[in-house]
Amino acid sequence: EDKVVQSPLSLVVHEGDTVTLNCSYEVTNFRSLLWYKQEKKAPTFLFMLTSSGIEKKSGRLSSILDKKELFSILNITATQTGDSAVYLCAVGTSGTYKYIFGTGTRLKVLA
Amino acid sequence: DVKVTQSSRYLVKRTGEKVFLECVQDMDHENMFWYRQDPGLGLRLIYFSYDVKMKEKGDIPEGYSVSREKKERFSLILESASTNQTSMYLCASSSPVGAPYEQYFGPGTRLTVT
Repeated sequence: EDKVVQSPLSLVVHEGDTVTLNCSYEVTNFRSLLWYKQEKKAPTFLFMLTSSGIEKKSGRLSSILDKKELFSILNITATQTGDSAVYLCAVGTSGTYKYIFGTGTRLKVLA
Repeated sequence: DVKVTQSSRYLVKRTGEKVFLECVQDMDHENMFWYRQDPGLGLRLIYFSYDVKMKEKGDIPEGYSVSREKKERFSLILESASTNQTSMYLCASSSPVGAPYEQYFGPGTRLTVT
């Protein structure tokens, strides 16, 4: 059965800290991996990863995929209170329209 | 910008009522999805549609049905609401399969069934 596991489940840090969120997966026919940020509303798209070793970067956020070890990490440097959210990882497979979501990592950044 | 809208942000219904949740997208996307999100369980796919009048069951379709009469609109129907259907419901849309694509989400409907 396809599955996506995120760790840690929750995390509390102080402003300025760097955090690393993990997403591991076991799926057949991997196609892409997506990261979303969810505050008290709809998930908003952060990154899409399809190739190993190529870092995607947006401001203080970056992400990379390892297709050999079947995981991705999302890094947030110099965290701010506005980074507090649930971060979701989703994996898509070839031949289907569906994505499989992890349960998310809840990040709380304290001032 | 893609816009996905849902008919209600909050809804309270009684057990046994028929409930309609509506989703509209404005980007001419072929694919539309309904998820429910519960604490500790993440997003779980209820149904999705890859074309008008076409639908496929997701992972948890029991107790739900869907309707897609127009490309931009995808409705989720709870035929007889039950308390275990209290949840956050999220609609999403995406461009066709064939290339890696991202899903765009609506704001969600928090449904409470009493």
